[in-house]
Amino acid sequence: AQRVTQPEKLLSVFKGAPVELKCNYSYSGSPELFWYVQYSRQRLQLLLRHISRESIKGFTADLNKGETSFHLKKPFAQEEDSAMYYCALSSGKLVFGKGTKLTVNP
Amino acid sequence: GAGVSQSPSNKVTEKGKDVELRCDPISGHTALYWYRQSLGQGLEFLIYFQGNSAPDKSGLPSDRFSAERTGGSVSTLTIQRTQQEDSAVYLCASSLDRALFSYEQYFGPGTRLTVT
Repeated sequence: AQRVTQPEKLLSVFKGAPVELKCNYSYSGSPELFWYVQYSRQRLQLLLRHISRESIKGFTADLNKGETSFHLKKPFAQEEDSAMYYCALSSGKLVFGKGTKLTVNP
Repeated sequence: GAGVSQSPSNKVTEKGKDVELRCDPISGHTALYWYRQSLGQGLEFLIYFQGNSAPDKSGLPSDRFSAERTGGSVSTLTIQRTQQEDSAVYLCASSLDRALFSYEQYFGPGTRLTVT
């Protein structure tokens, strides 16, 4: 069965500190992975996808098939990064993790 | 242009009543998805449509839940005989095509359903 695990419900860092949001997946095929973000009182929106290998708002995520991970990283967190982050796996349908609430303190 | 819209934004209903939730996708998007977001449960896939057909209904929690899509556009999610555990935010999303799931899904603002 396809599964996405985000082990941290809550993550709190100070502004300027590095941040890593963990995501592990379980899938027997070749996965397509995404990070979605939901800022306060805004809609859920795509942050980045692994096939694009892009950096959005300073965030990057590398797919590690050996460790079945797709952790989201940013070297210097900003207060505006505070949001709910969801890792998602495409396997014929989109399977989401339960999300990590990131708080960046001033 | 206009994004995905959902109505109503909030719905409070009594246990046992039926409710209908509506989703207007982005014009031209052939794929439409329904999710449920419960406290502490993340986003749960319910059903998706490719055009007017729903090849995957595996996420619907029970036979009290049904959905339809007409004209390849508007979709309605119906919950019959609502129960308190149905209380959640119901999200709709659309994308250009479902064939390759890497197409970005655009989400609506959600309908917050409260069953009393």
